[in-house]
Amino acid sequence: EVQLVESGGGLVQPGGSLRLSCAASGFTFSNYWMNWVRQAPGKGLEWVANIKPDGSEKNYVDSVKGRFTISRDNAKNSLYLQMNSLRAEDTAVYYCARDGRVLPYWGQGTLVTVSS
Amino acid sequence: DIVMTQTPLSLSVTPGQPASISCRSSQSLLLHSDGKTYLDWYLQKPGQPPQLLIYEVSNRFSGVPDRFSGSGSGTDFTLKISRVEAEDVGVYYCLQTIQLPWTFGQGTKVEIK
Repeated sequence: EVQLVESGGGLVQPGGSLRLSCAASGFTFSNYWMNWVRQAPGKGLEWVANIKPDGSEKNYVDSVKGRFTISRDNAKNSLYLQMNSLRAEDTAVYYCARDGRVLPYWGQGTLVTVSS
Repeated sequence: DIVMTQTPLSLSVTPGQPASISCRSSQSLLLHSDGKTYLDWYLQKPGQPPQLLIYEVSNRFSGVPDRFSGSGSGTDFTLKISRVEAEDVGVYYCLQTIQLPWTFGQGTKVEIK
């Protein structure tokens, strides 16, 4: 069974940093593209970033470029999102999701709140 | 960025009745190099992460009931529920994955009358 479990969310002040993790199991992690998708409270879904199976290609939505970094450790079956220079508008539930152009598997999400 | 526009934004449906949601993209979602159209539909039930319903316009994901169907081409797409059930409540999103950044529609909230 495919499982994705996010962690690392919490309350952080504007300008601060946070690192999210997504632990994957039930499939060969190193074979799949992985994504981060976020959802602000009461709002819709926004794709944030994705990363190629070998980590050689990374893509970001413009609003996080230069502030967020997606990475992965295939030996640990883990996906990460390093978030720096956080802003109030980054407040959201962050989901990790598997695959490239189709997202069939999602984690339960982790809440990031940026507030002073 | 490709803009995805869903209509309506909310829908109230009597159980057993059909429902239809439209999604329009600002550019064609047909990738000529492989002939595929990259438009998916997701349902987010209350308090849950999104779940994939339909991929590449009309392909039902594993385990999705056959009352859900997708159609369309180019820039105009439709998700149809032939007979709405109580468990179908939630917010439906279309997603394009032909061009980065991937973009979602605003969502259509479906409730039961």
